[in-house]
Amino acid sequence: GAVVSQHPSRVICKSGTSVKIECRSLDFQATTMFWYRQFPKKSLMLMATSNEGSKATYEQGVEKDKFLINHASLTLSTLTVTSAHPEDSSFYICSANIEIRLAGNSNEQFFGPGTRLTVL
Amino acid sequence: QKEVEQDPGPLSVPEGAIVSLNCTYSNSAFQYFMWYRQYSRKGPELLMYTYSSGNKEDGRFTAQVDKSSKYISLFIRDSQPSDSATYLCAMTSYNFNKFYFGSGTKLNVKP
Repeated sequence: GAVVSQHPSRVICKSGTSVKIECRSLDFQATTMFWYRQFPKKSLMLMATSNEGSKATYEQGVEKDKFLINHASLTLSTLTVTSAHPEDSSFYICSANIEIRLAGNSNEQFFGPGTRLTVL
Repeated sequence: QKEVEQDPGPLSVPEGAIVSLNCTYSNSAFQYFMWYRQYSRKGPELLMYTYSSGNKEDGRFTAQVDKSSKYISLFIRDSQPSDSATYLCAMTSYNFNKFYFGSGTKLNVKP
């Protein structure tokens, strides 16, 4: 199946620093990538939808100046957590959409392995 | 009301048991239904994918969708300890603008 990678898998940083997380689709082109945040024992919370070549669409309550998203190419989207604070500590997961044309359009979403961010 | 409801569990069963995982939803526009498996500290992986109502079988896994009741199920036959994970249901409408996830059910299969 399609593969999505994320880097780094784990990052620990001091409060006030910025952290960049990369999401890559390895064997397909993804015009749309999604960024999620997952709190312990909670569901995935969609943060933003990233479209190649245009500005990301943020969900209500997500600060666009805090979580900068850049979808520079069809295989790479980045999420930068600016001036990170302990409350930003979480598991961040990206996913990429792949369009499948089988008896009508359909889509599948493939997830990256996630990045665990710990802000001290 | 949440768009998707899923019992968080945990659900503990002996090895070999049949497992039933369920989600209910409120939006009748949902057309595509998915089940993901997530191991601890890992990203979710797609298990099953179903369009509209009906059943779909893949090995030990069967996905069922009942759109009239807005209810979806995932059955696992002959459950194995390696099936121990959190199972998330997800769904979306025809335009795939957004995916809606259940909170996940934590499954523990005891040897």
